[in-house]
Amino acid sequence: EVQLLESGGGLVQPGGSLRVSCVASGFAFTTYAMNWVRQAPGKGLEWVSVIGDNGNRIDYADSVKGRFIISRDISKNTLFLQMNSLRTDDAAVYYCVKGGTGTNLIFDYWGRGTLVTVSS
Amino acid sequence: EIVLTQSPATLSLSPGERATLSCRASQSVHSYLAWFQQKPGQAPRLLIYDASNRATGIPARFSGSGSGTDFTLTISSLEPEDFAVYYCQQRYIWPPVTFGGGTKVEIK
Repeated sequence: EVQLLESGGGLVQPGGSLRVSCVASGFAFTTYAMNWVRQAPGKGLEWVSVIGDNGNRIDYADSVKGRFIISRDISKNTLFLQMNSLRTDDAAVYYCVKGGTGTNLIFDYWGRGTLVTVSS
Repeated sequence: EIVLTQSPATLSLSPGERATLSCRASQSVHSYLAWFQQKPGQAPRLLIYDASNRATGIPARFSGSGSGTDFTLTISSLEPEDFAVYYCQQRYIWPPVTFGGGTKVEIK
């Protein structure tokens, strides 16, 4: 059974940093692209970032480019999102999402999400 | 960036009725379109990928159609658990992957 378990969310001040994590299980972690998708309270879905199966391709939404860094630790089956220079409009539930092989972006499994609040 | 426009914003129907949701893309996405269902407090769930393929475990009452710029999600007969928000998503041209704004299917 595929499981994605996010952690690391919390309250941070504007301009601060936070790292969220996602532990994956139930599938071959190194075979699939992984993504972060966020959802601000009461709003729709926004794709944030992708990392390819072997880490060879990384992309970001323009809204986070230069501030967020996606990475993966294959020894721990863990996906990370380092978020720097946080703004109030970054506040959202951040979902870890499994993609397809390579950089195939079929979002077939989602974690339950971790809430990031940006406020002074 | 490809913009996805979903209509209507809200659909008020009764259990047993047929639901027809629309997603229109600002340019062709060929068949690289997916549909998701989201219930309050839950993560989205993949229903349909590549326009018409049901994901694992999705009931046959859910079907998708379309190609190019116009797509439809049909729920043939609404069950009580189907009242939720539905999003479309394209993966043809990225970054960025984009989502539609959502259609809420509510009980009439």
